[in-house]
Amino acid sequence: GQNIDQPTEMTATEGAIVQINCTYQTSGFNGLFWYQQHAGEAPTFLSYNVLDGLEEKGRFSSFLSRSKGYSYLLLKELQMKDSASYLCAAMDSNYQLIWGAGTKLIIKP
Amino acid sequence: DAMVIQNPRYQVTQFGKPVTLSCSQTLNHNVMYWYQQKSSQAPKLLFHYYDKDFNNEADTPDNFQSRRPNTSFCFLDIRSPGLGDAAMYLCATSGTGSSGANVLTFGAGSRLTVL
Repeated sequence: GQNIDQPTEMTATEGAIVQINCTYQTSGFNGLFWYQQHAGEAPTFLSYNVLDGLEEKGRFSSFLSRSKGYSYLLLKELQMKDSASYLCAAMDSNYQLIWGAGTKLIIKP
Repeated sequence: DAMVIQNPRYQVTQFGKPVTLSCSQTLNHNVMYWYQQKSSQAPKLLFHYYDKDFNNEADTPDNFQSRRPNTSFCFLDIRSPGLGDAAMYLCATSGTGSSGANVLTFGAGSRLTVL
């Protein structure tokens, strides 16, 4: 079956760095997405990886290893507003998204 | 600004009383999606349209129906809401159904409460 695994919850300190891991198993692969979702709000797009390696976008970076079925989202210089859930989603061979349940990130002062 | 707009943001209904949720988009995207999301869970795809081509997920209950009268609008009908249907309902659009960066743009969501 198709599956996404990511930690349920993580805690980090303001100003620090945090890495949120995601492993996936899909029938075929057409890319890996990260979305941010604040409580009670809709998800917003953060990043997309389809080739191996690191994509950097400001304070946020996303990494993909297709051979390992693994991705991570790296958040630097954490701010209180980064407290949110981070959803990992992989696109299968039919271009359908398989979603993880999200990682709730708690930022402490 | 181009966007996806959902109405209502909050809907309270009684057990068994039908509700309709609406979604409109000004992005001119040809693919529209309806997701159901419960607290701390992954979004669950209910339906998607590629243009007017309707796609029903195999495990979407018959209690849920959808309509897309034109490119800009999409509706989700819940014929007889049960307590288990209380959730956030998310509408999303994307510009293409089958290539590269199929980025979804979400509306703000409609939160359904069933009493």
